Amino acid sequence: DGGITQSPKYLFRKEGQNVTLSCEQNLNHDAMYWYRQDPGQGLRLIYYSQIVNDFQKGDIAEGYSVSREKKESFPLTVTSAQKNPTAFYLCASSTRGQGDSYEQYFGPGTRLTVT
Amino acid sequence: AQSVSQHNHHVILSEAASLELGCNYSYGGTVNLFWYVQYPGQHLQLLLKYFSGDPLVKGIKGFEAEFIKSKFSFNLRKPSVQWSDTAEYFCAVRRTGFQKLVFGTGTRLLVSP
Repeated sequence: DGGITQSPKYLFRKEGQNVTLSCEQNLNHDAMYWYRQDPGQGLRLIYYSQIVNDFQKGDIAEGYSVSREKKESFPLTVTSAQKNPTAFYLCASSTRGQGDSYEQYFGPGTRLTVT
Repeated sequence: AQSVSQHNHHVILSEAASLELGCNYSYGGTVNLFWYVQYPGQHLQLLLKYFSGDPLVKGIKGFEAEFIKSKFSFNLRKPSVQWSDTAEYFCAVRRTGFQKLVFGTGTRLLVSP
């Protein structure tokens, strides 16, 4: 079954701790993305990667870091510098195609709660 | 900066009513347009997309959307909603040649049986 997996589904951390969210895809997509979803604010882009060993900041990158060492994996670290880390985090992937085959596929999300 | 506006934040309809959700974007160049849906407890999934050609696009589950370039709009429609359409709907815009999608803030639709 092709798709995107995110683990864990729920994550709880104490304030001041870094935490890493997992995202794996077996769709053979070059591009991967991390979004944050908050009520009433839609999805906001944190980081994205168009190819292995390369990534770019999105609109709200402060307090987050990523790596892209493998095509299949794009882990997101929420650092203690992120002022308001409690949120629902969504990972997505897509082809790099310029044609109408472009579509972002989403994982099930990780709900992070920091207290 | 490119932005996407969804003016209806919450919509409540009875079954069989018609639906229209508004989406406007601010970018003036060539864009690709998308509607995604998030059913309760499920993944975000694509309803439909527009890249070029016929501005009236048909998607899954009886949804359609019309791209009106002069109005920078891409409104989502369904002639007769069902209880199972209860979900959150997101409009998204991609500037041609870029990888990023910009999402609207979403519209929560509640369909009462």
